[in-house]
Amino acid sequence: GAGVSQTPSNKVTEKGKYVELRCDPISGHTALYWYRQSLGQGPEFLIYFQGTGAADDSGLPNDRFFAVRPEGSVSTLKIQRTERGDSAVYLCASSFQAGGLETQYFGPGTRLTVL
Amino acid sequence: DAKTTQPTSMDCAEGRAANLPCNHSTISGNEYVYWYRQIHSQGPQYIIHGLKNNETNEMASLIITEDRKSSTLILPHATLRDTAVYYCIVRVPGAGSYQLTFGKGTKLSVIP
Repeated sequence: GAGVSQTPSNKVTEKGKYVELRCDPISGHTALYWYRQSLGQGPEFLIYFQGTGAADDSGLPNDRFFAVRPEGSVSTLKIQRTERGDSAVYLCASSFQAGGLETQYFGPGTRLTVL
Repeated sequence: DAKTTQPTSMDCAEGRAANLPCNHSTISGNEYVYWYRQIHSQGPQYIIHGLKNNETNEMASLIITEDRKSSTLILPHATLRDTAVYYCIVRVPGAGSYQLTFGKGTKLSVIP
């Protein structure tokens, strides 16, 4: 079946602009996660959704970052007033449920470059 | 979650077994050991997990020491497609525990 998909695959923007990154999870997965990966580092947790609600957004670096999942499926990560330090690969993952021995399935990521 | 320590990089000859070590000396009794890998330009991919018994699946084997302070991921016959960064993660599954905490992992290069 289809895996987790993310669009766009690459996004180049200018400092100060607004961007939206989209994640389509695996059908039927109720849990959705966003991670950010800087060059040479492992992915870092940003936010987790259970259904439509953000169950934990403690990894969001500041209030310029926001994510939604209005219908409990597709999620959008929104970044306002982008800064050069926001440049990274943004990864989305989904799982059937959260908190157990479930496997998180990752998408290919969106590479964001802020000039 | 307990901290893990992995070598920065390793080489393995194609067709040979790749043995990737991980130290997790502060692991607690209810923490599982998970392994994920990340092939270049892809998202991480789940490989295997275990609590205290050795585990095997179609991708790999996981050997956990009796004191659970370390583990080894074994790829029995490494191929060029196994070249990737391998992450060892320890976590407690259960309500409220969902995020994966990645370190820098081990970059495995499979050499022809």
